[in-house]
Amino acid sequence: EAGVTQFPSHSVIEKGQTVTLRCDPISGHDNLYWYRRVMGKEIKFLLHFVKESKQDESGMPNNRFLAERTGGTYSTLKVQPAELEDSGVYFCASSPDYNEQFFGPGTRLTVL
Amino acid sequence: AQSVTQLGSHVSVSEGALVLLRCNYSSSVPPYLFWYVQYPNQGLQLLLKYTSAATLVKGINGFEAEFKKSETSFHLTKPSAHMSDAAEYFCAVTPMDTGRRALTFGSGTRLQVQP
Repeated sequence: EAGVTQFPSHSVIEKGQTVTLRCDPISGHDNLYWYRRVMGKEIKFLLHFVKESKQDESGMPNNRFLAERTGGTYSTLKVQPAELEDSGVYFCASSPDYNEQFFGPGTRLTVL
Repeated sequence: AQSVTQLGSHVSVSEGALVLLRCNYSSSVPPYLFWYVQYPNQGLQLLLKYTSAATLVKGINGFEAEFKKSETSFHLTKPSAHMSDAAEYFCAVTPMDTGRRALTFGSGTRLQVQP
């Protein structure tokens, strides 16, 4: 069974540009989560989808971040416009229930 | 609200020595507790979890952790370190019996194993 996949693995963009990160969860997992790790800091929660609905978006830093999960399958996280402080590793996780979360390898975003 | 403190951002042990990674948590409600490991260029992998059953939890690769409510701790141990254990380890908490399932992580501990 395929695990959680994320694309791209790395992204380098200029400040002010737009970047879209994609996450494909494990098939059949209704719960999808986004987390972020800024350099040297802890991994922080961004938001939680149940199917296509946002269950909890309390961790989204500001309105430059837009997450979608159309059809309850894959999810995208768009940053527009990107700022320097958005640099970090963005992790996606999925789970079939309220238990173990399965994590993807992450997308490393560098904003110059 | 929850928080996690991992003492020691870097821990170095010799191969064959005891591994002890410390985790203390704060939670206003009973918690679920997790240890995750991240190997280079990989995602986080669950090592073990505490979900209110046995307080001594055994995980993969010979790791175990003990939930101590009185000490608000969930330290990770392994009797004998192996070179392949070198990785970054994260302790995480989420509240039990609520609708919120976001994990709150500690800042991570990087384990180095010396030959």
